[in-house]
Amino acid sequence: GAVVSQHPSWVICKSGTSVKIECRSLDFQATTMFWYRQFPKQSLMLMATSNEGSKATYEQGVEKDKFLINHASLTLSTLTVTSAHPEDSSFYICSASVGAEGYNEQFFGPGTRLTVL
Amino acid sequence: GQNIDQPTEMTATEGAIVQINCTYQTSGFNGLFWYQQHAGEAPTFLSYNVLDGLEEKGRFSSFLSRSKGYSYLLLKELQMKDSASYLCAVKDSNYQLIWGAGTKLIIKP
Repeated sequence: GAVVSQHPSWVICKSGTSVKIECRSLDFQATTMFWYRQFPKQSLMLMATSNEGSKATYEQGVEKDKFLINHASLTLSTLTVTSAHPEDSSFYICSASVGAEGYNEQFFGPGTRLTVL
Repeated sequence: GQNIDQPTEMTATEGAIVQINCTYQTSGFNGLFWYQQHAGEAPTFLSYNVLDGLEEKGRFSSFLSRSKGYSYLLLKELQMKDSASYLCAVKDSNYQLIWGAGTKLIIKP
């Protein structure tokens, strides 16, 4: 099956620093990659959608200058949380999809738990 | 607005059957997904429905009625490892995935 990896799986950083999270599709080329955030006991919240070689589309309320997304290739997308603050502590999950619009299952990475001190 | 409704929490007994309902109001419909998410882990795909009817996959089945904006996930022969959150998601007319808040399923021995 399709495998998506994320790195790191967890990270602790100081307030004001930047953190980069990588998302890779290991055995397929992803048409689109998605970045989600999930707070404890809450559902997934889509942050942005990105296609290779183009700018990411951010959801309303998500600061594009704070959450930088780079989709360098069909197998790699990165999310950089700039000037992180404690309220950015969350579970960040990426997913990747391939195929036509009508049906494109999202394959999820294992997630990255970010703790900002 | 777009809305997905699921019960917040359900409890069932090991070996029994449980049905998790999902109702949706979205701008258009291009398929409904069910995902399973264990605590602290990412979601994993369970099922996809785009036409009315029942899709069976082992112990799990998913039903869809587009006219009623309704789906359910049926889990049979419950096992302790089925304790997880179950997320219903609908793809709207823009092919954007709208997520429900999830149903936490607790399995008791």
